[in-house]
Amino acid sequence: QQQVKQSPQSLIVQKGGISIINCAYENTAFDYFPWYQQFPGKGPALLIAIRPDVSEKKEGRFTISFNKSAKQFSLHIMDSQPGDSATYFCAASSSNDYKLSFGAGTTVTVRA
Amino acid sequence: DSGVTQTPKHLITATGQRVTLRCSPRSGDLSVYWYQQSLDQGLQFLIQYYNGEERAKGNILERFSAQQFPDLHSELNLSSLELGDSALYFCASSASSWGNTGELFFGEGSRLTVL
Repeated sequence: QQQVKQSPQSLIVQKGGISIINCAYENTAFDYFPWYQQFPGKGPALLIAIRPDVSEKKEGRFTISFNKSAKQFSLHIMDSQPGDSATYFCAASSSNDYKLSFGAGTTVTVRA
Repeated sequence: DSGVTQTPKHLITATGQRVTLRCSPRSGDLSVYWYQQSLDQGLQFLIQYYNGEERAKGNILERFSAQQFPDLHSELNLSSLELGDSALYFCASSASSWGNTGELFFGEGSRLTVL
């Protein structure tokens, strides 16, 4: 079963708009929450990551918001560009965990 | 370029056959992970090795096996192949053995098609 639940499965946004992807988890031991970006024909690559001691982390146009009490975190892509069109995966892990558990992925299409 | 090399990039085979997928991790990385990506299942963790030792097992079928060699490259062996094994298989590497301590670097994947 998926330890990290991700939604939506896909979204379409106009150039300049905001893309929002949500993830939820149950395992309270999780303490590392990265987002990976995957372009067609390529492997996933780390985009941005957050730990639960902060509620928000911003890198350029990408922001992670983290809500520890709700066990949810989300990725916001501001001023979306056609080059942002990709599949985005949220993930989680803990200090007891050797692996990274991924969400099912969200395919983002940015229309010019 | 992530520095992780996977071969072959594409593989077409028949049901019942056996294939071997190969992965060379980034220079200096001791951990190798194998993930399976199918359309409706996202990235499913299969198995992890650290410096030659198996560290974690996920949803890996008994028909699948893996190993990491002394030179740190890894192989994923898939046997008695079924149609449902068709997927993209990714290898990833990292410096650490723990999932929460750093970045995973993914190869470009091996696309397996079972006919």
